[in-house]
Amino acid sequence: QKEVEQDPGPLSVPEGAIVSLNCTYSNSAFQYFMWYRQYSRKGPELLMYTYSSGNKEDGRFTAQVDKSSKYISLFIRDSQPSDSATYLCAMRTTGTASKLTFGTGTRLQVTL
Amino acid sequence: GAGVSQTPSNKVTEKGKYVELRCDPISGHTALYWYRQSLGQGPEFLIYFQGTGAADDSGLPNDRFFAVRPEGSVSTLKIQRTERGDSAVYLCASSISGSNEQYFGPGTRLTVT
Repeated sequence: QKEVEQDPGPLSVPEGAIVSLNCTYSNSAFQYFMWYRQYSRKGPELLMYTYSSGNKEDGRFTAQVDKSSKYISLFIRDSQPSDSATYLCAMRTTGTASKLTFGTGTRLQVTL
Repeated sequence: GAGVSQTPSNKVTEKGKYVELRCDPISGHTALYWYRQSLGQGPEFLIYFQGTGAADDSGLPNDRFFAVRPEGSVSTLKIQRTERGDSAVYLCASSISGSNEQYFGPGTRLTVT
C-alpha cells in the first residue's frame, strides 16, 4: 500500500464549478502538506502548502488538512478551463530530510 | 529570474548504454532534489543534496544510479547500463535550505529502447 493515495481521475467539471481534490495518507509523521499543479509535459508548480492541521486560502484555492483522519483536500472555486491540469498532493515530515512523498495525481478537465 | 533548467529535454538511448542528465538549479538555492516520474504516477524521490553532499540518497533504486554536485550548484544524474524500466521523466527541483518551496524544472524525458 502506498503512503499517499490519490484518486487519479480523470475528473471533468463545467466552467465555474467548485472542484474538490483529495488525498489520504498513512504516515502520521507527515507534517507539511503541499499541492502542486502539473500541466502536460511540464514540471510540477507549487500552488500552496500548509503545516499540520487547518485551512489555508489563496485566491480561488483553499487547502484543508485533517490530521486526525489523515485526509487533505484542495478546493478550487469558480473553476476555469486554464485550471485543467494534473493536481498532485505531496507531503513531508519535519526535520532536515526534505524529500517529498507524492500522490499519483488527479487529472482535472474544466469544460466550457 | 531564471528557473530550474534541465538538459537534455529528451533523451533516447539503447538498453545497456550510459546516460547523464543535467540540472541547473535556481541561483542561490543550496538544496537540490532529483525525482523520477513514470507515466500516470506522481514523482518519486531519488536523492537530495545539501550543498555538495548527498544528504539523502535513499531513493536511488540500485547502484546503476549515481548523482553528483561537485561545486554545490549544477548536478548530474548518471545512469549506467540503462534498462527499459528506467524510462521515465527525471525531474530536478531546488529550494532554499529548509524551505518547503521546491521549484521544479521541466524534466528530462528518458526513453530506453
